Amino acid sequence: GAVVSQHPSWVICKSGTSVKIECRSLDFQATTMFWYRQFPKQSLMLMATSNEGSKATYEQGVEKDKFLINHASLTLSTLTVTSAHPEDSSFYICSARARDSKDTQYFGPGTRLTVL
Amino acid sequence: AQSVTQLDSHVSVSEGTPVLLRCNYSSSYSPSLFWYVQHPNKGLQLLLKYTSAATLVKGINGFEAEFKKSETSFHLTKPSAHMSDAAEYFCVVRGGGNTGKLIFGQGTTLQVKP
Repeated sequence: GAVVSQHPSWVICKSGTSVKIECRSLDFQATTMFWYRQFPKQSLMLMATSNEGSKATYEQGVEKDKFLINHASLTLSTLTVTSAHPEDSSFYICSARARDSKDTQYFGPGTRLTVL
Repeated sequence: AQSVTQLDSHVSVSEGTPVLLRCNYSSSYSPSLFWYVQHPNKGLQLLLKYTSAATLVKGINGFEAEFKKSETSFHLTKPSAHMSDAAEYFCVVRGGGNTGKLIFGQGTTLQVKP
């Protein structure tokens, strides 16, 4: 089956620094990737949708200058949390949708970010 | 706008007994609906999906769900719970347009007691 990986699986950083999270589709080409945020014991909230080679579309209330998304290839998307603060601590999950798949998204295992 | 409501935040069953996780949806047109499971420290896994074909959808690990338009429901069931079924379950609806956005319910924690 289709596999999506994320790196790192967890990261701890100091307040004010930037953190990059990678999302890779390992055995298929992902024309669209999605980034979600999940707070403890809560649901997933979509942050942004990124299509390969174009700018990401951010959901209402998500700061595009703080959460930089790059989808430079069909197998890689990155999320950079800039000038991180403790309130950015969360579980970040990506998903990927293949070129010919209308509905099915494959999810990565998530990245736990802790900002001190 | 599309939305889903999971009616129970926590469900507890004994091993070997049936599982019922309830989900109601709201959609202005025929929806695409999904159930995902999230085990601790693992990625979300698709259990099953409904995309306007058969109303009774069979998924992996013995789970199934029935789409009932008259009740706007898409409840997840399993005849006999296994300890390994303990996890977080999300009912999901696909958003409108061509974006493919998924809208998640609040989740139901399934506890399976021995």
